[in-house]
Amino acid sequence: EVQLVESGGGLIQVGGSLRLSCAASGLIVSGTYMTWVRQAPGKGLDWVSIIYSGGTTLYADSVKGRFTISRDILKNAVYLQMNTLRAEDTAVYYCARDSALSGFYGGTYYGFDVWGQGTTVTVSS
Amino acid sequence: DIQMTQSPSSLSASVGDRVTITCRASQSITIYLNWYQQKPGKAPNLLIYAASSLQSGVPSRFSGSGSGTDFTLTINSLQPEDFATYYCQQSYSTPRTFGQGTKLEMK
Repeated sequence: EVQLVESGGGLIQVGGSLRLSCAASGLIVSGTYMTWVRQAPGKGLDWVSIIYSGGTTLYADSVKGRFTISRDILKNAVYLQMNTLRAEDTAVYYCARDSALSGFYGGTYYGFDVWGQGTTVTVSS
Repeated sequence: DIQMTQSPSSLSASVGDRVTITCRASQSITIYLNWYQQKPGKAPNLLIYAASSLQSGVPSRFSGSGSGTDFTLTINSLQPEDFATYYCQQSYSTPRTFGQGTKLEMK
């Protein structure tokens, strides 16, 4: 069974740091695109970061310079190091696989087809 | 960044109804459009990708259409388990932006 399990969330003060982990089973994190998506309380989904299979990383403007995505091939896990946390970073953080999917009429398209259960980050002042 | 706008923001319907949710992109994304369903306290679930391709395991009452900038998600014969929030998302470019969501509630 393909599964993602996040951990590492918690209550942290403004300006603090936290590292989220996403342990994968049934898939190889280095062989696919892995992303982090967050959801503030009562709000919609907000894309945060991606690490491509080749290792390239990208970030949302709102977290650029503060968050770092990485992966550990031996542990088959993805991480999100979050520094200089702000109150507006309070959210449930999900990791997801950004999977290559075959379109009905051909072609390759990407979609988040496997998600973890989420881990809650609360940044307090 | 590509902006995604969904309408309506909320929708009331009854079991057995047919409902349609629309999503508009701020520029052409051809068919790089996904739809997700999210229930309270749960992670989102991919329903439709490439605008109209049904993800494995998703009931056939869900369908998607559109290309360019305008897209629709249709649910035929609503079932009790379909009351949830639906999001569109573009996969044309990064950041992979989402619409603001459409909450489907029971009338």
